[in-house]
Amino acid sequence: AQSVSQHNHHVILSEAASLELGCNYSYGGTVNLFWYVQYPGQHLQLLLKYFSGDPLVKGIKGFEAEFIKSKFSFNLRKPSVQWSDTAEYFCAYGGTYKYIFGTGTRLKVLA
Amino acid sequence: DTGVSQNPRHKITKRGQNVTFRCDPISEHNRLYWYRQTLGQGPEFLTYFQNEAQLEKSRLLSDRFSAERPKGSFSTLEIQRTEQGDSAMYLCASSLASGEETQYFGPGTRLLVL
Repeated sequence: AQSVSQHNHHVILSEAASLELGCNYSYGGTVNLFWYVQYPGQHLQLLLKYFSGDPLVKGIKGFEAEFIKSKFSFNLRKPSVQWSDTAEYFCAYGGTYKYIFGTGTRLKVLA
Repeated sequence: DTGVSQNPRHKITKRGQNVTFRCDPISEHNRLYWYRQTLGQGPEFLTYFQNEAQLEKSRLLSDRFSAERPKGSFSTLEIQRTEQGDSAMYLCASSLASGEETQYFGPGTRLLVL
């Protein structure tokens, strides 16, 4: 069965620190990959997505992710986090229709 | 551009009661999805519609759950004879069927079954 793994469940960083959140998926065929963010009290919002082409994808708010096919990974990165990045981050694999989500990573950024 | 909306945002009910949730997708989107999210987990797929046709249902969707999208626009999710295990956030998403399809999520309905 298809699955998505996010190994970091909770991450605490100070402002200006660099961020990397891991995401691994199990399916080896055509992949559509997404990162969503959920700020406190808000709904899931799309950060970035990958369908094909350049494996380095840039999203909103300075986030980027790199698709590495050989490692089945799609890690999220940001060079310098801000307090406002405190949120829960979900990686998702998109199949024919349904998305498979990871369990999420709660990020807390200390001011 | 109005996003996906869901009503109600919160619902508290007693075990055994029926509840119904509504989802209004982004207007031009022909696909609509329902997911369930419990604490500490990512959203889990329940079912999806293309226009008015319900094309897939997860094994998570027991016989007590039914979803409709009668005119290919809004959708309802009904849970009959609610159980405490049904307590969760119910999320709706919509998309436009395309090669690079992206699902956009609503704010969810948080259900608490007492």
